[in-house]
Amino acid sequence: SQKIEQNSEALNIQEGKTATLTCNYTNYSPAYLQWYRQDPGRGPVFLLLIRENEKEKRKERLKVTFDTTLKQSLFHITASQPADSATYLCGCGNNNAGNMLTFGGGTRLMVKP
Amino acid sequence: NAGVTQTPKFQVLKTGQSMTLQCAQDMNHEYMSWYRQDPGMGLRLIHYSVGAGITDQGEVPNGYNVSRSTTEDFPLRLLSAAPSQTSVYFCASSRRQGRQPQHFGDGTRLSIL
Repeated sequence: SQKIEQNSEALNIQEGKTATLTCNYTNYSPAYLQWYRQDPGRGPVFLLLIRENEKEKRKERLKVTFDTTLKQSLFHITASQPADSATYLCGCGNNNAGNMLTFGGGTRLMVKP
Repeated sequence: NAGVTQTPKFQVLKTGQSMTLQCAQDMNHEYMSWYRQDPGMGLRLIHYSVGAGITDQGEVPNGYNVSRSTTEDFPLRLLSAAPSQTSVYFCASSRRQGRQPQHFGDGTRLSIL
């Protein structure tokens, strides 16, 4: 069955450094990936979308890559700030009706001042 | 903008009780869906709808019913609550066009004793 894996261990980094989060998929060929941010007690909030024919996408301090050979997406936050501390979710989509996504378990990011 | 509104925010049930989780969106989105989120397992799709009067099953539909009589509302019914249904439930909506971001509510935290 299709599987989306994210690092379940929390990622702790120092303020100002670049945070890199990983999303790996198996038994699956997503047409696109979406990244979401989730704060405690809140619903996920959409950040970025990248399509299978795109290698990289940027938005302000955020960058996402999509490598269909490695079956992997990387999510980068440059010049990280304590306010970036949250759980980040990777969701994979397949142009299906309903725009449903298959999600990974999320990675918690802690940025220390 | 209210976006996606879920009620109640918290609920405690006894095994065997039934209840309905409410979800409403004011963005005129065609697509709506229900996910459950359990620790370490990410978001799993329960049911989804591509428009009023049309629903379909997701990955984990057993024990849940849905209906979609209007574009705005998509309630989720637990028929006979079981402890395994203790979870955080999220409702999401999106526009019909493919690859659209999901807009999530802030969830209903449900405990089954």
